[in-house]
Amino acid sequence: DTGVSQNPRHKITKRGQNVTFRCDPISEHNRLYWYRQTLGQGPEFLTYFQNEAQLEKSRLLSDRFSAERPKGSFSTLEIQRTEQGDSAMYLCASSLFGLGGDYGYTFGSGTRLTVV
Amino acid sequence: GENVEQHPSTLSVQEGDSAVIKCTYSDSASNYFPWYKQELGKRPQLIIDIRSNVGEKKDQRIAVTLNKTAKHFSLHITETQPEDSAVYFCAAQTSDQTGANNLFFGTGTRLTVIP
Repeated sequence: DTGVSQNPRHKITKRGQNVTFRCDPISEHNRLYWYRQTLGQGPEFLTYFQNEAQLEKSRLLSDRFSAERPKGSFSTLEIQRTEQGDSAMYLCASSLFGLGGDYGYTFGSGTRLTVV
Repeated sequence: GENVEQHPSTLSVQEGDSAVIKCTYSDSASNYFPWYKQELGKRPQLIIDIRSNVGEKKDQRIAVTLNKTAKHFSLHITETQPEDSAVYFCAAQTSDQTGANNLFFGTGTRLTVIP
């Protein structure tokens, strides 16, 4: 297990197209998070899962965004009808949540989305 | 929700000098405070973290201090080296047995170490 893996690394799409990103977390981690990062800003929370359950969604996550983690392992983030404002780095992170709290928050390398 | 503010936004220091980055948070229930280093085009990487049951933690040239009363925490890097140049993010999280919230990040500090 080499850490959190995200695919693709880069995605260029035309406005109005749909895109889907994939995140493979660290295998023993039960929590998976999606963040969005624009240039010069810190990561902004989008949503997170514990196992297959989506526990929280940010107001940033409009109805064009949907995330799934069907088997509690990898997750996908889909953006429908992309807009230029969706251009950003999409980061995935995973962690192990247990009785002691949340540990081992590890980020993937991200998917850089450019909407033209 | 939690609001994390980070200062300064940019910081330049001479090699060998110390660098200090400060963050404040708003949610008194937050009890986990990690710091991340992000180099250009790379993922944020955890460099040090502190939990609310301690006031200070040190790892070689890096230290973090936490003042829960004032709701602020700081990152201290001593004997800076050019490879310390990066963007540093602080974050705050409420983490307990009933369910952890996500991390709220500061806006980042771009540290430049001048050789």
